[in-house]
Amino acid sequence: EVQLMDSGGGLVQPGGSLRLSCAAAGFTFSTYAMSWVRQAPGKGLEWVSAITGSGGDTYHADSVKGRFTISRDNARNTLYLQMNSLRAEDTALYFCVKGSAASRPYFFDSWGQGTLVTVSS
Amino acid sequence: EIVLTQSPGTLSLSPGERATLSCRASQSVSSSFLAWYQQKPGQAPRLLLYGASIRATGIPDRFSGSGSGTDFTLTIGRLEPEDFAVYYCQPYGSSRTFGQGTKVEIK
Repeated sequence: EVQLMDSGGGLVQPGGSLRLSCAAAGFTFSTYAMSWVRQAPGKGLEWVSAITGSGGDTYHADSVKGRFTISRDNARNTLYLQMNSLRAEDTALYFCVKGSAASRPYFFDSWGQGTLVTVSS
Repeated sequence: EIVLTQSPGTLSLSPGERATLSCRASQSVSSSFLAWYQQKPGQAPRLLLYGASIRATGIPDRFSGSGSGTDFTLTIGRLEPEDFAVYYCQPYGSSRTFGQGTKVEIK
């Protein structure tokens, strides 16, 4: 059974930083692309960042480009999202998501429960 | 970037009724790489369909998908109480964006 355990969320001031983690289990982590998807309170889903199975290629939405960095440690079966220069509009529930393949095209076949990031002074 | 329009925004139906949800893309979705997700309140989304019409593991057969090109449909044959939720479409071939969602609520 696939398990994705998101963590690292919390309250941070505007301009601050936070690192999210996602511990994966139940599948061969290095052979699947991974993504972060967020959901602002009461809003829809927004894809944030993606990384290929090998970690060789990363992608970020325009809204976070230059501020967020996705990475993975395949030896530790862990996905990360480093978030810098945080803004109020980054406040959201962040989901760790498993892709259905190592690289595109892939759909999102498993989701973590999410970790809440609140950016406020 | 593909822009998705889901309609209606909200669908008010009774248990046992049939639900028809639409997802329209601003440009053709390659090879029917279209997925549907369901999200219940307080829960993470879950995959329902991929390839426009292929049910994910464990998804009941009252859920079906159709369409190609720019127009796709999710149909729920007979609504069960647990089907009242928000549904999102996503063209995963050339984009990672989601539609804005359709809420299926109890009438």
